[in-house]
Amino acid sequence: DTAVSQTPKYLVTQMGNDKSIKCEQNLGHDTMYWYKQDSKKFLKIMFSYNNKELIINETVPNRFSPKSPDKAHLNLHINSLELGDSAVYFCASSRRAGNEQYFGPGTRLTVT
Amino acid sequence: AQSVTQLDSQVPVFEEAPVELRCNYSSSVSVYLFWYVQYPNQGLQLLLKYLSGSTLVKGINGFEAEFNKSQTSFHLRKPSVHISDTAEYFCAVEAGANNLFFGTGTRLTVIP
Repeated sequence: DTAVSQTPKYLVTQMGNDKSIKCEQNLGHDTMYWYKQDSKKFLKIMFSYNNKELIINETVPNRFSPKSPDKAHLNLHINSLELGDSAVYFCASSRRAGNEQYFGPGTRLTVT
Repeated sequence: AQSVTQLDSQVPVFEEAPVELRCNYSSSVSVYLFWYVQYPNQGLQLLLKYLSGSTLVKGINGFEAEFNKSQTSFHLRKPSVHISDTAEYFCAVEAGANNLFFGTGTRLTVIP
């Protein structure tokens, strides 16, 4: 069984479009995250949700909006896509602080 | 604020040779420390973690790491590497609020 899943795996779109990435975890974890990995492999947290409530919101453009319909899902919606949004986006989940985070396989977003 | 430094961006090593991947961190509070591995086109997988207790931590795939508080280091070691260990390795620090700070990664290449 896949612990943390993301869809789609690849996403190619044009500048100015709006797109969403979905994430689901079946681990029963309370906390979920979105990370962005750039072309140099640098990983940076974007958002963190605990029991459907936003607890971390790093400095990201407000074109990015996370939504958590329940604690097993955390989706990422991106408006007005820009070239600089091209990256791999990882979803992750954890039980609580000090516990390891389990990562999804990533979504490679390419904006042309 | 927390930060993580991985001084070596690339480490080539011959098969069956030992390897050490260096990680230094800075934090004003107690931390949890992690090493993650990322195989090509995959998500991150936890190798090992330090929360408390023994400073020598053993992980999966024969890796181990030693927490050194005075030197603020958490170096990763393996006595004999295999071709399948070729991957990107990330050191990470958590200092509360489930917020992981990642280093910039070390690309380990095992040469046959």
